[in-house]
Amino acid sequence: GAGVSQSPSNKVTEKGKDVELRCDPISGHTALYWYRQSLGQGLEFLIYFQGNSAPDKSGLPSDRFSAERTGGSVSTLTIQRTQQEDSAVYLCASSYRGKGEKLFFGSGTQLSVL
Amino acid sequence: KNQVEQSPQSLIILEGKNCTLQCNYTVSPFSNLRWYKQDTGRGPVSLTIMTFSENTKSNGRYTATLDADTKQSSLHITASQLSDSASYICVVGSGAGSYQLTFGKGTKLSVIP
Repeated sequence: GAGVSQSPSNKVTEKGKDVELRCDPISGHTALYWYRQSLGQGLEFLIYFQGNSAPDKSGLPSDRFSAERTGGSVSTLTIQRTQQEDSAVYLCASSYRGKGEKLFFGSGTQLSVL
Repeated sequence: KNQVEQSPQSLIILEGKNCTLQCNYTVSPFSNLRWYKQDTGRGPVSLTIMTFSENTKSNGRYTATLDADTKQSSLHITASQLSDSASYICVVGSGAGSYQLTFGKGTKLSVIP
C-alpha cells in the first residue's frame, strides 16, 4: 500500500477484555515495529520484527501483551485482560531493512480502557 | 540509561517567524539522530536523519544541526507557517545498524496568525 495502515483507529473497551490491533506495513518493508505513546510521554518500544528472525520482544510490558507477524507482512498486537493503564496510542512503523533507516509510521490506534 | 531531553516543552510563535528547538541526549553507543514531526492524531513523519559525521542537514525550511561532542542537536524552522503547528520529536539511534531508538517527549509548536 501507499503507507502504513493501522486498524481500528479508535478502540474503546472494558477493563478485562482482550483487544487486537492490526498493522499493515508498506509493501516490501522487512522491518516492523510497535510503539506505545502515552499522553505527555515519549514513544515506548514494544516489539520489533525483522524478516524471518526471532522478534525482539524486550519492550513488551507484561505477559498480557503479545504480537505476531504473519507471512512477513501484517502484524497483530494483542492485549489480554486489558487494564486502564493500557490506555494509550499504539503506533506501528515499518522500514525497508531496519538498519538505521527512516521509519514510516501509521496513524496509530487510540485505545481507551474504561 | 539512554535519555533524550527536549526543550522547550511548548512554544508559541507568530506566523513567518523563525524558531529553534533543542535536543540533548545521553545515548551510547550513538548511531544516528532523527527529527520527526507529529501532527495531532497522526503518526510521526521523518524530517531528517544525521549520522555521527554529519553536523547539518536540511529539508526545505527545516534545518537540523548535530554536535556529537556536546551531544546536542537543534532543529531550526525558517519562515514558519500555520501548518508547522505540531509536535517535533528528537530520536536517537544506538549501535551500528541498530533498530534501538530512544525518543524524546517532543516540543509542541503552535504557529499563530
